[in-house]
Amino acid sequence: QSVLTQPPSASGTPGQRVTISCSGSSSNIGSNTVNWYQQFPGAAPKCLIYNNNLRPSGVPDRFSGSKSGTSASLAISGLQSEDEADYYCAAWDDSLSGYVFGTGTKVTVL
Amino acid sequence: EVQLVESGGGLVQPGVSLRLSCAASGFTFSNYGMRWVRQTPGKGLEWVSAISSSGTYTHYADSVKGRFTISRDNSKNTLYLQMNSLRAEDTAIYYCAKVRSSSRSLEDWGQGTLVTVSS
Repeated sequence: QSVLTQPPSASGTPGQRVTISCSGSSSNIGSNTVNWYQQFPGAAPKCLIYNNNLRPSGVPDRFSGSKSGTSASLAISGLQSEDEADYYCAAWDDSLSGYVFGTGTKVTVL
Repeated sequence: EVQLVESGGGLVQPGVSLRLSCAASGFTFSNYGMRWVRQTPGKGLEWVSAISSSGTYTHYADSVKGRFTISRDNSKNTLYLQMNSLRAEDTAIYYCAKVRSSSRSLEDWGQGTLVTVSS
């Protein structure tokens, strides 16, 4: 049972901006940094954003993250067909003493 | 290049034990915390367990606490997950992942190994 809530789907046309929300609580997002992962079918997840808004080397700057209070969001600017994937937010939860993932959002490029 | 290669998965009956391994290369294994994450086919990600770089500290998801044990052998650059009393709901792809320094994010992932628990 996921502790972090995401919309099940999001979509946009090429070039559009798509935003994915991640809602948590004071014990996870409210007190720890948020990370985002991208996963293509049949592949392992890949870290897209860490520490709320930092991009690992090689991740295009079209991807950006932000956090406010107990919520976070991932934005994809200039949506491209290769961005079609599942996206998960995650954060450490102090109450559970564990790392919690969001429910996941499937992004479709129309 | 960082490489994480899981092994040990397979088809097992409920109640039996299985040990997963994750062979690490391309980085100084003893300097990094490691995690196990699982994913039921077609479903979301679930964090399973964590271990500190030295192996001193471990954490478990409530769903596996008391049944699974995470460990590491820094001399062999290998991470382990001992899974006992397996249940049907443990069926999943199990990934090992390396923790990024100064962050709790999972910087690198293995390709995963499938565990199927079924009679």
